[in-house]
Amino acid sequence: VQLHESGPGLVKPSQTLSLTCTVSDGSIMSSGYYWSWIRQHPGKGLEWIGYIFYSGSTFYNPSLKSLVTLSVDPSKNQFSLKLTSVTAADTAVYYCARVVAHNWKNYYMDVWGNGTTVTVSS
Amino acid sequence: DIQMTQSPSSLSASVGDRVTITCQASQDINNYLNWYQQKPGKAPKLLIYDASSLATGVPSRFSGSGSGTDFSFTITSLQPEDFATYYCQHYENVPLVTFGQGTKLEIK
Repeated sequence: VQLHESGPGLVKPSQTLSLTCTVSDGSIMSSGYYWSWIRQHPGKGLEWIGYIFYSGSTFYNPSLKSLVTLSVDPSKNQFSLKLTSVTAADTAVYYCARVVAHNWKNYYMDVWGNGTTVTVSS
Repeated sequence: DIQMTQSPSSLSASVGDRVTITCQASQDINNYLNWYQQKPGKAPKLLIYDASSLATGVPSRFSGSGSGTDFSFTITSLQPEDFATYYCQHYENVPLVTFGQGTKLEIK
């Protein structure tokens, strides 16, 4: 399985950041997997944004929940992120990743996209 | 929410050394602890899951141990390609995925 992020690299403040992750060499409908977004602010650690199941069930980081929407398009083998009302603090590298729901107890990311840099600036 | 405290934040070592990084959880998390390696400009790579299981294709010089609240990650005989930043990660059924603060492993 390979993942590839796409979307604008520059977003204006107060606008909506939209990214898409395309899954290749595998199906987004595979059982036991969720599909996630993680971001990394410049020079900082990793922050989980949320994940989605192919059925459309979503799970969000409580700290971002009011601003984030994840969606999935199984027909295109893609899932997407929308982050509203962005500020400079949302400038980061955004990664998509496959989440393994190991025994439905331990969840970890075993396949990652290369990441895409998004800058929020006017 | 469960807090993950990773230490040290940075570490200097030489090729051939053995290094250990620790991650402490604020509550018992069984063995639901994972470790990643991230090189500059690259995505993180899964190394260890379930505290001690080696991910596919990961060299055996990498290992993890621990259960409950205290975990460790060890690299025996450091190789030049091992200099990177390492993160621990935990999932709790909120749901919430939490990463440790990271440990930057540098060449001495």
